Amino acid sequence: KNQVEQSPQSLIILEGKNCTLQCNYTVSPFSNLRWYKQDTGRGPVSLTIMTFSENTKSNGRYTATLDADTKQSSLHITASQLSDSASYICVVSATGTASKLTFGTGTRLQVTL
Amino acid sequence: DTGVSQNPRHKITKRGQNVTFRCDPISEHNRLYWYRQTLGQGPEFLTYFQNEAQLEKSRLLSDRFSAERPKGSFSTLEIQRTEQGDSAMYLCASSLKGPEAFFGQGTRLTVV
Repeated sequence: KNQVEQSPQSLIILEGKNCTLQCNYTVSPFSNLRWYKQDTGRGPVSLTIMTFSENTKSNGRYTATLDADTKQSSLHITASQLSDSASYICVVSATGTASKLTFGTGTRLQVTL
Repeated sequence: DTGVSQNPRHKITKRGQNVTFRCDPISEHNRLYWYRQTLGQGPEFLTYFQNEAQLEKSRLLSDRFSAERPKGSFSTLEIQRTEQGDSAMYLCASSLKGPEAFFGQGTRLTVV
């Protein structure tokens, strides 16, 4: 069964600090992995998309890494801001199933003063 | 066109009533997806359209749920005889050929 697991479930950090969120998956055959940011009560917004051959991809202060061998990904947030407070969802797509994405349950990040 | 648009943003309905949600995808996006998300969980796949054809439906989509995309543009999701367990955020997403899927803001349904 295709699964995506994220850790930690929730995280509180001080403004300006860095943090790293983890994603482990068992989706096969792998097509791509995406990180989304979802503010409370709103739809997810894409941060990064990585295919099998990509090890790292950055989007401003967000940097995602992918290790396709160990089936792990991380999302690193640098110099956090209050506006980073949101849920971060890891989503993995399998080859040949254009219709289905496997979503993680997300990491709830809270950035405080 | 600024993105995927969903209406209404919020809907409160009494148990047993029917509700219909609308999704307007990004222009020219031929793929459209519906998801359901409950509090603290990731979105769950409901159904997928390519143009006007409904190519896939999840087992989560019971007989009370029906989705249409009559002209391959906007889509509607109808829930008949709503139950309290239907309370959730209903998300629509659209994409073209690549892996990028753009989500709407969602419709929050509360069944009382």
